[in-house]
Amino acid sequence: DGGITQSPKYLFRKEGQNVTLSCEQNLNHDAMYWYRQDPGQGLRLIYYSQIVNDFQKGDIAEGYSVSREKKESFPLTVTSAQKNPTAFYLCASSSVSRGRLHSNQPQHFGDGTRLSIL
Amino acid sequence: LAKTTQPISMDSYEGQEVNITCSHNNIATNDYITWYQQFPSQGPRFIIQGYKTKVTNEVASLFIPADRKSSTLSLPRVSLSDTAVYYCLVHTGGGNKLTFGTGTQLKVEL
Repeated sequence: DGGITQSPKYLFRKEGQNVTLSCEQNLNHDAMYWYRQDPGQGLRLIYYSQIVNDFQKGDIAEGYSVSREKKESFPLTVTSAQKNPTAFYLCASSSVSRGRLHSNQPQHFGDGTRLSIL
Repeated sequence: LAKTTQPISMDSYEGQEVNITCSHNNIATNDYITWYQQFPSQGPRFIIQGYKTKVTNEVASLFIPADRKSSTLSLPRVSLSDTAVYYCLVHTGGGNKLTFGTGTQLKVEL
């Protein structure tokens, strides 16, 4: 059954601690994305990757880091530098059309990880 | 600053047609408009995508005027299960930036 799996569903972070959110896809998609969603608000792009070993900052990359060592995996680390990490984090993937990010390829989303501060 | 805007909320009754508009005055040339549906504590789900004029699938229609600075998602005969947040997504800034709309909370009542 193809799709995107995010884990864990709920995560708690202590002050000053780094935490890593997992995202795995078996859709054979080249592009992967991380978004942050705050209560009652829309999605904001943190990082995206069009190909293995390459990634780009989105609108709100400060305090976050990513890696893309495998096509199917795109983990997000929320570092201690992120002062307001409490949010709902969504991972997505898509094909890449004509070498361009999401030209006409819909994104497929996981069901998110809710991160809270202890 | 390019902005993609939608009405914050809309109310409807079962069986009615609902039209949700997204304004995207800085959409990139040759790029598509995509609409998603999101239920609480879940990821968004693809509804429909289009480039110009009209696109229809089994769940919705998408109307895009010639200038492509806006688009309208049309949901025919909504039911209670259509209560959700609806987002549009476009490329802006020459195609180098992905911008989700502000989202529209649709509430459907009996």
